Amino acid sequence: DVKVTQSSRYLVKRTGEKVFLECVQDMDHENMFWYRQDPGLGLRLIYFSYDVKMKEKGDIPEGYSVSREKKERFSLILESASTNQTSMYLCASSLLRTEAFFGQGTRLTVV
Amino acid sequence: DQQVKQNSPSLSVQEGRISILNCDYTNSMFDYFLWYKKYPAEGPTFLISISSIKDKNEDGRFTVFLNKSAKHLSLHIVPSQPGDSAVYFCAASGLYNQGGKLIFGQGTELSVKP
Repeated sequence: DVKVTQSSRYLVKRTGEKVFLECVQDMDHENMFWYRQDPGLGLRLIYFSYDVKMKEKGDIPEGYSVSREKKERFSLILESASTNQTSMYLCASSLLRTEAFFGQGTRLTVV
Repeated sequence: DQQVKQNSPSLSVQEGRISILNCDYTNSMFDYFLWYKKYPAEGPTFLISISSIKDKNEDGRFTVFLNKSAKHLSLHIVPSQPGDSAVYFCAASGLYNQGGKLIFGQGTELSVKP
């Protein structure tokens, strides 16, 4: 079974903090994704990586950066957390042109 | 600009009846479409997919239909069961201008009543 593991289920951070969300997959997938889910807006793509050290901006990259130093790990970084970044964050991985597998999600609250 | 749209935020269906969830897309370069199911506080799980070379794909109670000329796909669940109650997302990708990016719609919350 494919496993995508996100480091935390719930996080509470203060405004202005630098926040790291970690994601690890165990199936040697090329593609990895970070999405955020907000009510009425669905899943919006923040960043996408198709190989180690390769990344592409998604639809809402502002305020975020990513790091992919190893194939199995894709990190999302909130440079200076703000309250409008309170959301459910979802990591996923896939082979090229196949379904993506998701982690369990991280509920981030910025206070 | 929303490239993948699910215009019905919610749908309520009686147990045993058919559930039909709809999805529209605008980018004609999309050629691979997927449906996911999501329960609260969990990640989405893959349900079924369809390539643009087909117009129908079936897996048990789930069937996805693709109408390329209308840029429309639908998911049929027959018969619907209370355990199907969840949020359903459609997603699309296109190899030649999107790489492996997967673009999702807003989701439709399905409620199946006993």
